[in-house]
Amino acid sequence: ETGVTQSPTHLIKTRGQQVTLRCSSQSGHNTVSWYQQALGQGPQFIFQYYREEENGRGNFPPRFSGLQFPNYSSELNVNALELDDSALYLCASGANVLTFGAGSRLTVL
Amino acid sequence: KQEVTQIPAALSVPEGENLVLNCSFTDSAIYNLQWFRQDPGKGLTSLLLIQSSQREQTSGRLNASLDKSSGRSTLYIAASQPGDSATYLCAGEGDSWGKLQFGAGTQVVVTP
Repeated sequence: ETGVTQSPTHLIKTRGQQVTLRCSSQSGHNTVSWYQQALGQGPQFIFQYYREEENGRGNFPPRFSGLQFPNYSSELNVNALELDDSALYLCASGANVLTFGAGSRLTVL
Repeated sequence: KQEVTQIPAALSVPEGENLVLNCSFTDSAIYNLQWFRQDPGKGLTSLLLIQSSQREQTSGRLNASLDKSSGRSTLYIAASQPGDSATYLCAGEGDSWGKLQFGAGTQVVVTP
């Protein structure tokens, strides 16, 4: 049990659809980061939220957006899904030593 | 832009052998260097964190070194066990906490 819970664990969408992925941390840390991990590759930084504000963004288009709530849970939203969005999406809580969730595996058909 | 490379991409060793995993990075202005373990279908588990002022960290059978001048980090796993089979990823952290630049990982198989 890592203390970071992600849902759903698996989902399948079709191209053009929208998806929302969720993340919650038992520790209630005020910093959460999202990463995308394509098959056979290392995770890539999408963005980070600190106290409900975006605090840094990687090389991802605006159709990737996020929210962080007062209880420090977080959402990742992806609009207009493309085939290349198929990946494992990881949420991480913390700012120095990160605690990762098990991820949400998204398949876009 | 920081680039992180891990060699080899895959490694198979018999149980009991020592493992040496390599990680190289292009920007010596790295702040922290972390090693993670990832089991199939699972998230990442932090193994060791080497902070900027440190040169190595040890935890049990694991030892990681960091040489910022040469842009290299090495993870040593002593007396490997089948339970060590996993993918090992290194990640560098620059001046933004929580923003890690990962390598592609080394997939390790330890055979009984």
